[in-house]
Amino acid sequence: AQRVTQPEKLLSVFKGAPVELKCNYSYSGSPELFWYVQYSRQRLQLLLRHISRESIKGFTADLNKGETSFHLKKPFAQEEDSAMYYCALSALSGDKLIFGTGTRLQVFP
Amino acid sequence: ETGVTQSPTHLIKTRGQQVTLRCSSQSGHNTVSWYQQALGQGPQFIFQYYREEENGRGNFPPRFSGLQFPNYSSELNVNALELDDSALYLCASSYGQGAGRTEAFFGQGTRLTVV
Repeated sequence: AQRVTQPEKLLSVFKGAPVELKCNYSYSGSPELFWYVQYSRQRLQLLLRHISRESIKGFTADLNKGETSFHLKKPFAQEEDSAMYYCALSALSGDKLIFGTGTRLQVFP
Repeated sequence: ETGVTQSPTHLIKTRGQQVTLRCSSQSGHNTVSWYQQALGQGPQFIFQYYREEENGRGNFPPRFSGLQFPNYSSELNVNALELDDSALYLCASSYGQGAGRTEAFFGQGTRLTVV
């Protein structure tokens, strides 16, 4: 079955602390993995994708095919990082997305 | 370049009624996907339209139907509304097909409440 699991509903950290949002997936084949973010009162937007291998707003995510994980990391959290984060996969870019249930990140001053 | 826009932003319907939600895709995009996001859940894929034809469907009953128009805007229709249909409905657009398709850009959503 195709599935994305985000085990944490809520992650609370203080500003400057490291952050790791966990994502595990189940998929037969080689999917594309994404992290989407939704800031308060804003639309869902793409944060990063594994094929780009880039760092956006200080966030990185490495695809570990052996562990079927795609954890999102940032070494020093900022208050403006507070948002809802969704991990998602698709067979191809722009194809249907399978989302996890999301993790709310709260960064306290 | 205009983004994905959805209308209305909110609406309330009675159980058993029918509803139509609308989506204008981002300029130049020819693929539209619809998602349902229940409270506390991630978005769930309903279906996708590419060049006016359905191009994939999720695990939703036939009372969920859609259309895509020549200008690539789209409608989501839900018949015989049930209380569990209450959710945020998201539209996403992208360009292309297969491996060449661009990333999906999302609208702000329509909040449907069924009473």
